[in-house]
Amino acid sequence: NAGVTQTPKFRVLKTGQSMTLLCAQDMNHEYMYWYRQDPGMGLRLIHYSVGEGTTAKGEVPDGYNVSRLKKQNFLLGLESAAPSQTSVYFCASRRPGAEDYEQYFGPGTRLTVT
Amino acid sequence: GENVEQHPSTLSVQEGDSAVIKCTYSDSASNYFPWYKQELGKRPQLIIDIRSNVGEKKDQRIAVTLNKTAKHFSLHITETQPEDSAVYFCAARTLYNFNKFYFGSGTKLNVKP
Repeated sequence: NAGVTQTPKFRVLKTGQSMTLLCAQDMNHEYMYWYRQDPGMGLRLIHYSVGEGTTAKGEVPDGYNVSRLKKQNFLLGLESAAPSQTSVYFCASRRPGAEDYEQYFGPGTRLTVT
Repeated sequence: GENVEQHPSTLSVQEGDSAVIKCTYSDSASNYFPWYKQELGKRPQLIIDIRSNVGEKKDQRIAVTLNKTAKHFSLHITETQPEDSAVYFCAARTLYNFNKFYFGSGTKLNVKP
């Protein structure tokens, strides 16, 4: 039982390049999230999904796109990377509903855009 | 949207002392308040949480208190140990969107042996 995994762990991009971050979970969770974490700031929600085929915008969605084609996977795409997107990206998942089920986080992806 | 402020940004205590981290929130509709611990280079992990219908919750050496009137909640760690050294984040979630968690900026706790 791997929990929540993310690939890659590290990546360096040049401005204007594109990439996709992959999040996978094996806990059969319906809800999945993408956050970014910047120095001196808490986690900020980029996009989230409440089920296969659904996505919604979070707090800071601009410059990112997401897809949830399979229940276990949640992809975060950067179409044209900018230095402002240098950050650590965390994926999370949890059971569905308003109950206070724990969010389980992945190990993070450190992205640098030069 | 909700705004969560967290203080202090850094906290240094001697092993065995207590540590208190405070958070304030702005939206009175917030009803769930988790606390996360993040060790260096690791993922955030939930350590304790509290709902708005409860004033205090304890789990061994950690406790969380909530004051809904003043819109603030605090994390209390007693008998601190070096392994408590980490960054702690508070968060708040409103009752009208249970998928949006608003995080504080974090407190770096250093427990000196």
